[in-house]
Amino acid sequence: QSVLTQPPSVSGAPGQWVTISCTGSSSNIGAGYDVQWYQQFPGTAPKLLIFGNNNRPSGVPERFSGSKSGTSASLAITGLQAEDEADYYCQSYDRVSGNWVFGGGTKLTAL
Amino acid sequence: QITLKESGPTLVKPKQTLTLTCFFSGFSFTTRGVGVGWVRQPPGEAPEWLALIYWDDDKYYSSSLKSRLTITRDTSRNRVVLTMANMDPIDTGTYYCVHLSKRDHGDYYFDYWGQGTLVTVSS
Repeated sequence: QSVLTQPPSVSGAPGQWVTISCTGSSSNIGAGYDVQWYQQFPGTAPKLLIFGNNNRPSGVPERFSGSKSGTSASLAITGLQAEDEADYYCQSYDRVSGNWVFGGGTKLTAL
Repeated sequence: QITLKESGPTLVKPKQTLTLTCFFSGFSFTTRGVGVGWVRQPPGEAPEWLALIYWDDDKYYSSSLKSRLTITRDTSRNRVVLTMANMDPIDTGTYYCVHLSKRDHGDYYFDYWGQGTLVTVSS
């Protein structure tokens, strides 16, 4: 199992607001390390969506936002669109293992 | 524009050593703060970080795989090489080369990814 825990799946109707959680521990997110989020479509490489907890790279729509509190982080998507259907992964650093770690991933479905 | 591309065998036999090369452009190891790493992803599973190397030749490895991994760089030819010894069928997956950037007063993150190369381990 992954060091960072995500729900296997989330869904929402187009136009809705959805969130994906990422739960860590005191050795990673809770230790103050940044959380990143990646979006991945089938057959393609992951793409950076959010870095440094709540920063969007150039070109990422404003409807994607990130937040962090305590040992958890969240990715929020406002105004869900059909094209947002993808797998989403959170990522941070774990000081006990010394590893860059990923969550298990969440499959987002637009109903 | 930063690009990375992985190159290596698509099929390796159990117990063999895998050698992957990452060819990159748009940045150089002569620039302070630059980092290049490797991430793999088994079919249908989450990504897993393997190794990384920085501009100053500092190297870091996954704690669970460090005995099998070696990462090196060729600064003049803009490439990074990863070797993984004693391959097993569970090592089957897509291997990605990644570029690392650092946030001001923050951590490194993987901002550019290669297209990935699928490696199958089978006899």
